Amino acid sequence: QSVLTQPPSVSAAPGQNVTLSCSGSSSNIGNNYVSWYQQLPGTAPKLLIYDNIRRPSGIADRFSGSKSGTSATLAITGLQTGDEADYYCGTWDSSLSGGGVFGGGTKLTVL
Amino acid sequence: QFQLQESGPGLVKPSETLSLTCSVSGGSLSSNYWSWIRQPAGKGLQWIGRIYNSKTTFYNPSLKSRVTLSLDTSKNQFSLKLTSVTAADTAVYFCTRDRDYWSTADYWGQGTLVTVS
Repeated sequence: QSVLTQPPSVSAAPGQNVTLSCSGSSSNIGNNYVSWYQQLPGTAPKLLIYDNIRRPSGIADRFSGSKSGTSATLAITGLQTGDEADYYCGTWDSSLSGGGVFGGGTKLTVL
Repeated sequence: QFQLQESGPGLVKPSETLSLTCSVSGGSLSSNYWSWIRQPAGKGLQWIGRIYNSKTTFYNPSLKSRVTLSLDTSKNQFSLKLTSVTAADTAVYFCTRDRDYWSTADYWGQGTLVTVS
């Protein structure tokens, strides 16, 4: 049972836009920075978004992040077949029993 | 730019201790947050713990009784020990650098598969 909630799967056609959601609480998303990761099969997760909205250098501007209250969203525009992957959100949880927390991941299928 | 590389046995017997080391290049261990994350096959990411400057550690409550993290600044390495392992501890283990206190990883190692059998 993951602390952050993500839909298990999302699908869309090439060229379309999608949004992936990540829901948490005031002790994690509500008061800390959200990161988003893309994981291709057999590889380590790759940082797409940090500090809720910022892209590391080299990440296409087709990827964007936002946060409102205790939820965060990753938007991907102009879907490409290479975007088919698992996507995870993560943040710090500041509660007494907290620590790093992740969503269960969303499998994005590009039809 | 940090580069991280995990190393350690790929096979551990049940009830024994899993020990992994992460070698860091491209920067100092000091004043950075370092974590371990694992991923069982076909499943999501599970945060194990974080260490900062050798004196400050945070552990996943579900693993806290079995986990110890340490830093070796002379070798620019940090380590994970997980005791009394069972098959449920079989996973790919990643070492990471956390961007800051309020965030999760920005740099990842490639991961290493540890099988408990």
